[in-house]
Amino acid sequence: AQSVTQLDSQVPVFEEAPVELRCNYSSSVSVYLFWYVQYPNQGLQLLLKYLSGSTLVKGINGFEAEFNKSQTSFHLRKPSVHISDTAEYFCAVSDPHSGGGADGLTFGKGTHLIIQP
Amino acid sequence: EAGVTQSPTHLIKTRGQQATLRCSPISGHTSVYWYQQALGLGLQFLLWYDEGEERNRGNFPPRFSGRQFPNYSSELNVNALELEDSALYLCASSPGTTYNEQFFGPGTRLTVL
Repeated sequence: AQSVTQLDSQVPVFEEAPVELRCNYSSSVSVYLFWYVQYPNQGLQLLLKYLSGSTLVKGINGFEAEFNKSQTSFHLRKPSVHISDTAEYFCAVSDPHSGGGADGLTFGKGTHLIIQP
Repeated sequence: EAGVTQSPTHLIKTRGQQATLRCSPISGHTSVYWYQQALGLGLQFLLWYDEGEERNRGNFPPRFSGRQFPNYSSELNVNALELEDSALYLCASSPGTTYNEQFFGPGTRLTVL
């Protein structure tokens, strides 16, 4: 079974500073990787996804992530954060061979990004 | 294009009762997924429906069940509610293509007293 580790449960950052949220996954085979954001009292919104191709993936709201197969990582970055980026961020993985979602998405436990003024 | 919708927004039940949660997928999506987001446990996969059939379920007891209707909307039923069933229940839909991009609804907050 796949697993996803988000090493930091909370990341406090000052406004306009850069941020990196870490994500490692367990699978040694090909995977699809996702980052979702959850604002307070809302559902999940897709930030970006890696399916294949370029290892640097750009998403919405100025976020980007880099797929590193050798380190089995998919860290999320933003060069300058804003107060509105305060939210919970979830890394997720799925198996491209699972036939259309047989196992659903496997999520990490989430990282709470706290932007300090 | 309308997104995934869920109803009700909040649901309060007492232990032992049954809860029914509803989900309408994005138009054209045939797959519906249910997840439980309980405090301290993160997001856990519950059920997957596609083309009206239950295709897979996560590690949850049988009192968690559901169905998918011909219009691809879905219902999640939780019988014999327990206090630990209190959680945010998220529904997601997918076009059923080969990759698993899922679009999430706002969730139903279930509180069991």
